[in-house]
Amino acid sequence: DQQVKQNSPSLSVQEGRISILNCDYTNSMFDYFLWYKKYPAEGPTFLISISSIKDKNEDGRFTVFLNKSAKHLSLHIVPSQPGDSAVYFCAASSYGGGTASKLTFGTGTRLQVTL
Amino acid sequence: ETGVTQSPTHLIKTRGQQVTLRCSSQSGHNTVSWYQQALGQGPQFIFQYYREEENGRGNFPPRFSGLQFPNYSSELNVNALELDDSALYLCASSLGGTSGYQETQYFGPGTRLLVL
Repeated sequence: DQQVKQNSPSLSVQEGRISILNCDYTNSMFDYFLWYKKYPAEGPTFLISISSIKDKNEDGRFTVFLNKSAKHLSLHIVPSQPGDSAVYFCAASSYGGGTASKLTFGTGTRLQVTL
Repeated sequence: ETGVTQSPTHLIKTRGQQVTLRCSSQSGHNTVSWYQQALGQGPQFIFQYYREEENGRGNFPPRFSGLQFPNYSSELNVNALELDDSALYLCASSLGGTSGYQETQYFGPGTRLLVL
């Protein structure tokens, strides 16, 4: 049962254009969502997060949008740069109180930013 | 501030053997979570340790066990290794406790385990 889904395994975008990565989830108990970037032979690097009480969070070139009714979130990267080429994972958790909860990950989207 | 570190970086074992992987959490963090990432998949939650106690476990058999030490570093032990245990093992640290809100987990570089 895949509770977090990233239906696009890969995405190719030209440098300077917008990259939009999508993520869907099924568990309505999820209330915190994160995006991680992963290069080969490295661990995931935290990019940006959003709480379920918000519908948008922005950090520099990265913006995450959350649509709770559709159980959908997206990551926008503007403008895209060649260094953004990596695998992007969407992750979700539900707050259990007191300690960090487990993360449930999607299968990732490989982004390639071309010149 | 020191980030999350893991050792070793790579490991080759044979089926039936036992392995211990190590993780040092980020400075100031008291919670460590372990994940297994198979090829082409997202990381899967194994278990979490908070203040030296197991605090949640994913769908992994008991031959996956762990420890957390007073300095909040952690070990993942896997007994009776199987071929399917070949994966990247990731450790993530965070600050759990009474913060009252979700804490972001920060990952180490991982240990790549190959079981032959």
